[in-house]
Order: sequence, then structure tokens, then C-alpha cells
Amino acid sequence: DGGITQSPKYLFRKEGQNVTLSCEQNLNHDAMYWYRQDPGQGLRLIYYSQIVNDFQKGDIAEGYSVSREKKESFPLTVTSAQKNPTAFYLCASTPLVGTGYTFGSGTRLTVV
Amino acid sequence: EDKVVQSPLSLVVHEGDTVTLNCSYEVTNFRSLLWYKQEKKAPTFLFMLTSSGIEKKSGRLSSILDKKELFSILNITATQTGDSAIYLCALHGSSNTGKLIFGQGTTLQVKP
Repeated sequence: DGGITQSPKYLFRKEGQNVTLSCEQNLNHDAMYWYRQDPGQGLRLIYYSQIVNDFQKGDIAEGYSVSREKKESFPLTVTSAQKNPTAFYLCASTPLVGTGYTFGSGTRLTVV
Repeated sequence: EDKVVQSPLSLVVHEGDTVTLNCSYEVTNFRSLLWYKQEKKAPTFLFMLTSSGIEKKSGRLSSILDKKELFSILNITATQTGDSAIYLCALHGSSNTGKLIFGQGTTLQVKP
């Protein structure tokens, strides 16, 4: 079955550590996105990529980095520069000129 | 700057009640407006609206768009406890990037 897989589902990080969240899709979608969700704030765009080896910053890119070496994969690294990383992270994909998103199940990151 | 505002932010009703969720927006170039339901993890697609005045319906849920007054509503009739979720409104606006701009979400709780 086609879909988006995010891993891990839960992640704990110590302050000062970098962590990488995985996002893999087998939908042959061109565009992929990372969103952060905090209570009462909806989803905010971190980074997005429309084609392999190219990506753009979203509204809250500071403290995050991404790569897009393969069409299927769009990992997100939360760096130590991100001051408040505890949140729920959602990955999504869409055909470049398509309808809505297909979302992954999310990763809940907690800084301890 | 494109913007989406949802109201109310939270709502508690009893089974059988009818609810109306609101989504207002500001956009430079409108492409579509989407509604999602988020229960635990991944948001699931409900409706995509592109034209004013045309109601989209799926079972007890319906939605309509007013492009003149820049808002959309999502109606849920005969609510059930399974309707308890966060309802997200998202705008596909100016760019060709496929980016969606999300509102804060409305948290609906349906009590037995």
C-alpha cells in the first residue's frame, strides 16, 4: 500500500543534541513538506522540497535542516540551535500540481 | 501575507447536536481551501473547495466556500463521539509550490 512512513513515533532528546526524523514515501510524489504542530497553533511549515536535491525554507526554518537526496526520502534534522524543539512533527507529500496532502503519522519529539 | 483564522478554537457539544466550524482567510491568489480531521496522529482529508456556493457533502459532514466574504464553514449534523477531533482548515494560495497555510485548528469534543 502506498503511503508515508515517519519514524520514530516518539523521540526523546537531551538538550544540545541533534536528532534526525525520518520521512519516507512510496507514492511517487514530487513535493514533500515538514510541519511542526504545537497546541493551539495549528501546523507551521518548516521546510519543503519540490524536486530532488532542492529544498526551500518555510516559515520557521531556524534550527532545522533537511536533505532531499532521493525522491522517496526527506529527513529532518532538529539541531541544538532550535530553542524549543518539543513538538509534534508531521511530514506530508503531494504531487507537484495536486490536491491535498498525504500525511505521515507524525513524530513526537520531547527534549529532556 | 496569506493567513487563515479558525473559530472557535474549541467546542464541547453533546451527541446529536449540530456544529458549525468557521474558517476565514486572507490570500493574494486563491487556489483552494481544504478541510482535514485530525484524531490522533495524521490529519485525514475531508474536503477541497475551489468554487463559491457549491456545497460539498459527505455523510453528516458538509462544507461550503464564500470567496466574496473570504470564509468557509464546516457543518457536522447529528454529532457522534467519533467526531471528536481537531478540525484543520488550510489554504492553498499564491505559489506553485503546493504549500498549505493552516489555521490554528478547532478542537471539537462530543460528549455522550
